[in-house]
Amino acid sequence: NAGVTQTPKFQVLKTGQSMTLQCAQDMNHNSMYWYRQDPGMGLRLIYYSASEGTTDKGEVPNGYNVSRLNKREFSLRLESAAPSQTSVYFCASSPSSIFTGELFFGEGSRLTVL
Amino acid sequence: DAKTTQPPSMDCAEGRAANLPCNHSTISGNEYVYWYRQIHSQGPQYIIHGLKNNETNEMASLIITEDRKSSTLILPHATLRDTAVYYCIASTDSWGKLQFGAGTQVVVTP
Repeated sequence: NAGVTQTPKFQVLKTGQSMTLQCAQDMNHNSMYWYRQDPGMGLRLIYYSASEGTTDKGEVPNGYNVSRLNKREFSLRLESAAPSQTSVYFCASSPSSIFTGELFFGEGSRLTVL
Repeated sequence: DAKTTQPPSMDCAEGRAANLPCNHSTISGNEYVYWYRQIHSQGPQYIIHGLKNNETNEMASLIITEDRKSSTLILPHATLRDTAVYYCIASTDSWGKLQFGAGTQVVVTP
């Protein structure tokens, strides 16, 4: 039981390049989330998916797209990376579409945009 | 969601209880108080949450004042592995969209 798995763990991009961060959970959870964390700051929600087939914007969605591929997988895409998107990205999941208090986080993906 | 205020840092001696305060003076009646922690470079970890009553689990205790304007997270016997940033969050959101602030950096010393 791996929990929430994120790939890649580290990535360096040049401005304008695109990439996709992958997230998969093996806990049969309904809801999944993408957060970003900038140095010395708390986490900010980018997008979330309350259930398979649905996605909604969070606090900072600009410059990102998401896909809830199936119940297990939730990907985050940067179409044209900018230095302001240098951050640590965390994927999370929760069991129910109605939140019961606990988010389960992955280990993070560290992205640098030059 | 109500704004929460936490001290930026705290030190605690190993083996002693760590009492982490959180102020949420504008909290509404249906807002829960959540506590998470983030050990260096790792993803945040859920600790505990509550609405009105005090709560306890295997990790910690949550004490919420009667007027609900503040709360305290208690780690009963702090260990070096409890060194982390602790986040207090007040939220009504039923979709799990939590807003993490800067938190409190807790350092447990031998």
